[in-house]
Amino acid sequence: KAGVTQTPRYLIKTRGQQVTLSCSPISGHRSVSWYQQTPGQGLQFLFEYFSETQRNKGNFPGRFSGRQFSNSRSEMNVSTLELGDSALYLCASSLVGTIVAGELFFGEGSRLTVL
Amino acid sequence: GDSVTQMEGPVTLSEEAFLTINCTYTATGYPSLFWYVQYPGEGLQLLLKATKADDKGSNKGFEATYRKETTSFHLEKGSVQVSDSAVYFCALPNDYKLSFGAGTTVTVRA
Repeated sequence: KAGVTQTPRYLIKTRGQQVTLSCSPISGHRSVSWYQQTPGQGLQFLFEYFSETQRNKGNFPGRFSGRQFSNSRSEMNVSTLELGDSALYLCASSLVGTIVAGELFFGEGSRLTVL
Repeated sequence: GDSVTQMEGPVTLSEEAFLTINCTYTATGYPSLFWYVQYPGEGLQLLLKATKADDKGSNKGFEATYRKETTSFHLEKGSVQVSDSAVYFCALPNDYKLSFGAGTTVTVRA
């Protein structure tokens, strides 16, 4: 069974550009979450989608957006990139409809460097 | 909101040493508690979990007991190996997301 797949794995952008990251969840998983990981701030929640609906959003500026498609694949977009957006972006999927008792399966992440 | 606080590292140990990483939680009610591990260059993976008070989660020689009296979920391993070198995160569910601790970097030397 394939795991969570994130693309691209590495990318370099310059300030002001925008970026789109993609996540394919484990087959059958309908919940997809995104997290930003940095050395200074640790793991911070970005958003969670279930059946194409955003159910929760973290405390990030509007430059960060996401969506989920009918096949549960998800994308996140960051516009007008800033140096501080350099991070590892992790996607996670879950089989159950809620996180409470479920297990999150993480991808290996997309490492974004902003120059 | 509900949150976890974990001991920050880094922690450096020799092989076969005893490892403990402290984690305490603040929550209304008794949420499930998790330990996740991140090996170098990889994403996170669930190490163990406990769903109610006094539950003990265990996996790969690691154990953690959900103690509501002390609001704690400390991670322990009796004899670590070099392959246990990783970052360990305590977490709890909170409104469709997991709230993670800051992470503890563990390095085990041969």
